Amino acid sequence: DAGVIQSPRHEVTEMGQEVTLRCKPISGHNSLFWYRQTMMRGLELLIYFNNNVPIDDSGMPEDRFSAKMPNASFSTLKIQPSEPRDSAVYFCASSLGADRQQFFGPGTRLTVL
Amino acid sequence: QKEVEQNSGPLSVPEGAIASLNCTYSDRGSQSFFWYRQYSGKSPELIMSIYSNGDKEDGRFTAQLNKASQYVSLLIRDSQPSDSATYLCAAPGGSARQLTFGSGTQLTVLP
Repeated sequence: DAGVIQSPRHEVTEMGQEVTLRCKPISGHNSLFWYRQTMMRGLELLIYFNNNVPIDDSGMPEDRFSAKMPNASFSTLKIQPSEPRDSAVYFCASSLGADRQQFFGPGTRLTVL
Repeated sequence: QKEVEQNSGPLSVPEGAIASLNCTYSDRGSQSFFWYRQYSGKSPELIMSIYSNGDKEDGRFTAQLNKASQYVSLLIRDSQPSDSATYLCAAPGGSARQLTFGSGTQLTVLP
């Protein structure tokens, strides 16, 4: 049974470029979460979707970040334009409900030069 | 006050000792609690869940929940070097009472 799938696994880009991270949640899960993790700030929730609808986006750093979930099996996190301080590991997680166990994808390691 | 707080660590224990990790939460209505383990360079993985007051044991791991005091702990008995990782506590919080993670405690088990 496939877990949460993220792509790409690694992304190196230059400052100012657009970056798109992709996530496929576990089939049947109705909640999807995007996190950012750095050594300094730990695991931070960026945005939470329930039934494809954004519920809490208070963690999105600024207008350069946007997230979409066009259907139950796909979500994207876009950064435009990217900056070096965006360098981090970005995780996608899904669950059967807001307060239920979350299953994490392998993460995307983003480096912005 | 953060919704989920963990003793910051880092924590070092000798091999074979008991490692004790603590977590407090602010939402009194929380019903489900989780401990995740994250190895360096990997994603968090669930190791324990607990829903009722008291202790829950799974092998060398014991989760303890005290809803009156709003804390949950994780004990690791007979600690092994392979237990060296960051441990994340999670409980409902946030604006939509979604599962919220603490900042993590880095555990090192010394051979």
